[in-house]
Amino acid sequence: GAVVSQHPSRVICKSGTSVKIECRSLDFQATTMFWYRQFPKKSLMLMATSNEGSKATYEQGVEKDKFLINHASLTLSTLTVTSAHPEDSSFYICSAQGRAGGNNEQFFGPGTRLTVL
Amino acid sequence: AQRVTQPEKLLSVFKGAPVELKCNYSYSGSPELFWYVQYSRQRLQLLLRHISRESIKGFTADLNKGETSFHLKKPFAQEEDSAMYYCALKWGSSYKLIFGSGTRLLVRP
Repeated sequence: GAVVSQHPSRVICKSGTSVKIECRSLDFQATTMFWYRQFPKKSLMLMATSNEGSKATYEQGVEKDKFLINHASLTLSTLTVTSAHPEDSSFYICSAQGRAGGNNEQFFGPGTRLTVL
Repeated sequence: AQRVTQPEKLLSVFKGAPVELKCNYSYSGSPELFWYVQYSRQRLQLLLRHISRESIKGFTADLNKGETSFHLKKPFAQEEDSAMYYCALKWGSSYKLIFGSGTRLLVRP
């Protein structure tokens, strides 16, 4: 099956710094990648949809200047949390969707736990 | 607005007992419904989708448009079924998924 990786799996940073999270589709080309945020014991909340070569589409209430998304290639999307604050601490999950082939399944990464001190 | 509701946060059953995880959705059009499962320390993975009409690991789910439900069922629960289960809705031409809040299934020996 399709594999999606995320790096790093865990990051701790000081308040005010920026953190970059990578999402890679390892064995398929992902035309669309999604970034989710999951709070403890809560559901996944879609933050943004990222299409290769174009600007990301952010969900209502998500600050695009705070959460910078880049989808430079068909196998890589990055999420940068700028000037991180403790309230940004969360579990960030990406998913990748390949080219249409009758199957629009999203394949999920293992997630990145961000802790901002 | 589109919404997915999973009323139970936790469902605890004994091994061999039937299981039904409830999911209701709100959407005026023709939705595409999914069940995702997350085992302990593992990533989220697709369990089944309504258009496939398949049974995966003994689980089935039928879309009931009249009741706007997509409940997940298994006649005989196994301990390895213990996990977090999320119902999700994909709507219209969008590829976006809306997730329910999840139900933790605990199958006791």
